[in-house]
Amino acid sequence: RKEVEQDPGPFNVPEGATVAFNCTYSNSASQSFFWYRQDCRKEPKLLMSVYSSGNEDGRFTAQLNRASQYISLLIRDSKLSDSATYLCAVNKGSGGSYIPTFGRGTSLIVHP
Amino acid sequence: NAGVTQTPKFRVLKTGQSMTLLCAQDMNHEYMYWYRQDPGMGLRLIHYSVGEGTTAKGEVPDGYNVSRLKKQNFLLGLESAAPSQTSVYFCASRAGLGADTQYFGPGTRLTVL
Repeated sequence: RKEVEQDPGPFNVPEGATVAFNCTYSNSASQSFFWYRQDCRKEPKLLMSVYSSGNEDGRFTAQLNRASQYISLLIRDSKLSDSATYLCAVNKGSGGSYIPTFGRGTSLIVHP
Repeated sequence: NAGVTQTPKFRVLKTGQSMTLLCAQDMNHEYMYWYRQDPGMGLRLIHYSVGEGTTAKGEVPDGYNVSRLKKQNFLLGLESAAPSQTSVYFCASRAGLGADTQYFGPGTRLTVL
């Protein structure tokens, strides 16, 4: 079983839709969690960190469920510009032993 | 402030050739990482460094070597390139203790024929 798993999609949704992605991780020692956005042929860029209490940034909401070992990303009122691949990242350890592991990414296509 | 830069952007090699990819960051970050990204495989960690003069193996280190002689630079070497090393290579850096966010370079597209 891969350490960090995501549904590759693609998720094909109309503008204005709400879409949710999940990401599961296998290592219970994981300490920090992130969502990155990657546009086609570009580098990943941090979208948001995921905090234990859940956090929101505009139309984006991230949640963490440690008991079930998954993180989620909810996008409300989807825009055409949200079309991209969304990568979840999980970090084990701390400080110098920090080892980041990425999921394979979930592709989102928002159509008019 | 250029962030993280990578040289070259594109390269085509023949099997058996060698090359070095350069990653440079101007943010005074302690930690630096090399990843490869293949279709359907996501980002996989090759090697990383937690400070000048240190390196460590990641998930897929075979066939690669790295050096961190200066804090701002992290070099990835391929001594004898193989077609299986055709990929997009991303470098990333992180500030250090207490800072989890990684900043990525624009990537190097390498093709090995």
